[in-house]
Amino acid sequence: DTEVTQTPKHLVMGMTNKKSLKCEQHMGHRAMYWYKQKAKKPPELMFVYSYEKLSINESVPSRFSPECPNSSLLNLHLHALQPEDSALYLCASSQDPGQTQPQHFGDGTRLSIL
Amino acid sequence: QKEVEQNSGPLSVPEGAIASLNCTYSDRVSQSFFWYRQYSGKSPELIMSIYSNGDKEDGRFTAQLNKASQYVSLLIRDSQPSDSATYLCAVNIQGAQKLVFGQGTRLTINP
Repeated sequence: DTEVTQTPKHLVMGMTNKKSLKCEQHMGHRAMYWYKQKAKKPPELMFVYSYEKLSINESVPSRFSPECPNSSLLNLHLHALQPEDSALYLCASSQDPGQTQPQHFGDGTRLSIL
Repeated sequence: QKEVEQNSGPLSVPEGAIASLNCTYSDRVSQSFFWYRQYSGKSPELIMSIYSNGDKEDGRFTAQLNKASQYVSLLIRDSQPSDSATYLCAVNIQGAQKLVFGQGTRLTINP
């Protein structure tokens, strides 16, 4: 069991659907991250939130829209995704954004785009 | 040169032997180094953090850091089949608020 909780665990959606991925942590961490991971590849950073503000967007297409409602929650809104967006989406958190402390990952959401 | 480099493997080690995983990095001012284990279909799990030159031991795992040579390694003693996984090396990029991951080394422990 991880201290970063992601829902849902699996999601299948069509290219015209709108859905959201959710992430929650109660460790008091002030930095939260979204990663995308394809098979046999390392996690690929998408977004970083530092103290609830978006600090890094790694040139992610606008069909992915992050949101940080409060210090414990992180959402990723999905709209008009493409089949190549099928992947494991990982949320992570760390005590501070300076990377002096490790990131802790949730179990991920396995996303399939039909 | 990639920022963080690992041999992708696969690395095969007999059960009970020592598995040695290596990682080199390019950013001379990196201060924080992490090893994650990832089982197939699962998320990365932190197994070691190291910040200072030298060795850090935790059970069967030993992380070694040499900042002058810019490498960090992970030793797994008395390897077990349950250690079979992909091991990811992650290094902080100074001032960039992110970790850079290596490609990962796939380790197989043979009974």
